[in-house]
Amino acid sequence: EAGVAQSPRYKIIEKRQSVAFWCNPISGHATLYWYQQILGQGPKLLIQFQNNGVVDDSQLPKDRFSAERLKGVDSTLKIQPAKLEDSAVYLCASSLFSGGAISYNEQFFGPGTRLTVL
Amino acid sequence: KQEVTQIPAALSVPEGENLVLNCSFTDSAIYNLQWFRQDPGKGLTSLLLIQSSQREQTSGRLNASLDKSSGRSTLYIAASQPGDSATYLCAVRGMIKAAGNKLTFGGGTRVLVKP
Repeated sequence: EAGVAQSPRYKIIEKRQSVAFWCNPISGHATLYWYQQILGQGPKLLIQFQNNGVVDDSQLPKDRFSAERLKGVDSTLKIQPAKLEDSAVYLCASSLFSGGAISYNEQFFGPGTRLTVL
Repeated sequence: KQEVTQIPAALSVPEGENLVLNCSFTDSAIYNLQWFRQDPGKGLTSLLLIQSSQREQTSGRLNASLDKSSGRSTLYIAASQPGDSATYLCAVRGMIKAAGNKLTFGGGTRVLVKP
């Protein structure tokens, strides 16, 4: 079974530029998550999709971050304009089902995209 | 608001010694608790998942305990090996189903096992 795919793996940009990350979840997984992991910290949830609808985006800085999941499969996370403090690893995860039976709650993570803002 | 803390932030042990990693959380109303491993430049790999009704979970050399009332979990790794060197993250899943299965992570413990 193929895992969660993310691209690019690394990105270096200057502040005020824009950047986009792409995620392809495991086939059949209805729920998709984007996390931000700053160096030395645990991942922080930015946004959660159930199919193509947003379940939770309470920690997404909406003035500069946006995300979409068209057709309920692939997802794109965009930052515009980027700030120095956005330097982090952006992790995408997916799960078969959100809520309900516990066996469906396990999240599978992609390798992440390491963003450096200069 | 749930807060998850992992102490120590870093740990170095000689090969063969047992590892003890601690995790504490402030809100005991959790659905379950999960331990992950993260290798440099890679994503997270799930190690163990403990339901809120369970006291412990075991997989090979790994054993995780959960004391929900005191807000603590401990991950034990027996007879450590250099390949166990990684960052270990603890995450709790809240009870509110409307928020999906949102995970709140601790900051992780970076482990180095020296040969």
